[in-house]
Amino acid sequence: GAVVSQHPSWVICKSGTSVKIECRSLDFQATTMFWYRQFPKQSLMLMATSNEGSKATYEQGVEKDKFLINHASLTLSTLTVTSAHPEDSSFYICSAREGTGGRYEPQHFGDGTRLSIL
Amino acid sequence: LAKTTQPISMDSYEGQEVNITCSHNNIATNDYITWYQQFPSQGPRFIIQGYKTKVTNEVASLFIPADRKSSTLSLPRVSLSDTAVYYCLVGEGTDKLIFGTGTRLQVFP
Repeated sequence: GAVVSQHPSWVICKSGTSVKIECRSLDFQATTMFWYRQFPKQSLMLMATSNEGSKATYEQGVEKDKFLINHASLTLSTLTVTSAHPEDSSFYICSAREGTGGRYEPQHFGDGTRLSIL
Repeated sequence: LAKTTQPISMDSYEGQEVNITCSHNNIATNDYITWYQQFPSQGPRFIIQGYKTKVTNEVASLFIPADRKSSTLSLPRVSLSDTAVYYCLVGEGTDKLIFGTGTRLQVFP
């Protein structure tokens, strides 16, 4: 089945540091990937849609200069949290959908990245 | 995007059948219904997907009435390891997915 891999699985860093999270589709190509954030005991909140070869589409209220998204290939999207602060501490999850338009395929999710900013 | 409504939580005992119903009154003609399971500190895992009537796989069944305004996820003979949050989502093709609150299922021994 389709596998989505995230790296790192957890990261702890000092306030002011920039952190990069990678999302890879291991056995399929994904023109579109999605980034979510989840706080404890809450649901997933969509942050942005990552499009291969073009700019990401951010949800309302998500700072695009704070959360930089790059989707340089059909199997890799990266999320960079710039100048991270304690309030950015959260669980970040990516997803990707196999296939192209016209054929509905479910999204497959990575196992998430736990980000802790000290 | 159609909004979904699910019970916030449910309790069950091992060996029982659990049915979680999701309401999606504004589902569009091209929307599919997809259910995911999420354990703590993990990403959601795909369970089952359907468009109408009944779909069954090795872990669950999905019942969708003719009007498609609701759907029911059925988990046969749950075990402790089925304790998780279950999300119902509707969408089409390359649509982004908007997660609702989900249903927190607690299975007791």
